[in-house]
Amino acid sequence: GAVVSQHPSRVICKSGTSVKIECRSLDFQATTMFWYRQFPKQSLMLMATSNEGSKATYEQGVEKDKFLINHASLTLSTLTVTSAHPEDSSFYICSARVGGAEAFFGQGTRLTVV
Amino acid sequence: SQQGEEDPQALSIQEGENATMNCSYKTSINNLQWYRQNSGRGLVHLILIRSNEREKHSGRLRVTLDTSKKSSSLLITASRAADTASYFCATEAGTYKYIFGTGTRLKVLA
Repeated sequence: GAVVSQHPSRVICKSGTSVKIECRSLDFQATTMFWYRQFPKQSLMLMATSNEGSKATYEQGVEKDKFLINHASLTLSTLTVTSAHPEDSSFYICSARVGGAEAFFGQGTRLTVV
Repeated sequence: SQQGEEDPQALSIQEGENATMNCSYKTSINNLQWYRQNSGRGLVHLILIRSNEREKHSGRLRVTLDTSKKSSSLLITASRAADTASYFCATEAGTYKYIFGTGTRLKVLA
């Protein structure tokens, strides 16, 4: 099956700094990628839909200036958490679609803001 | 919220028993998928069932879909300790994005 690689798997940053998370489709081209956030023992909440070459579409309640998404190529989308605060600590997961088929997920990034 | 509901929220069974998890959703869908997540890890895709399908099997997994009731179930037969994980259903409604259910935390006791 298709492989989606997410990097880094874990990151610790200081309050006020920015963190970039990468999501790559390794063996296919993904015109659309999705970013999810998961709090401990909760489900995944969709944050935004990332389309190659255009602006991301954010879900209601997600701050677009806080969570910057860039989908510069058909194999790479990035999520930048700007001016991170402890409440941004979470598990972030990306996924990519191949046409109308199933979604493939990255392994996730555990962000801890101290 | 468009999020689906799963029940039970938590399930504890003995090794060898069957585990059944249910998922209900709110809108018409194109397909529904089940995923497993081990603690602190990413998601593992288990099975996809399309809206025109009623049942699918994969190894010890059996998934059913009832579009009239907007519900799906995941059955794991002859469970093993390694099946301990959280299980999520995710629905796709033609918008190319998946909405996840609340999840079921399964614990299989050896």
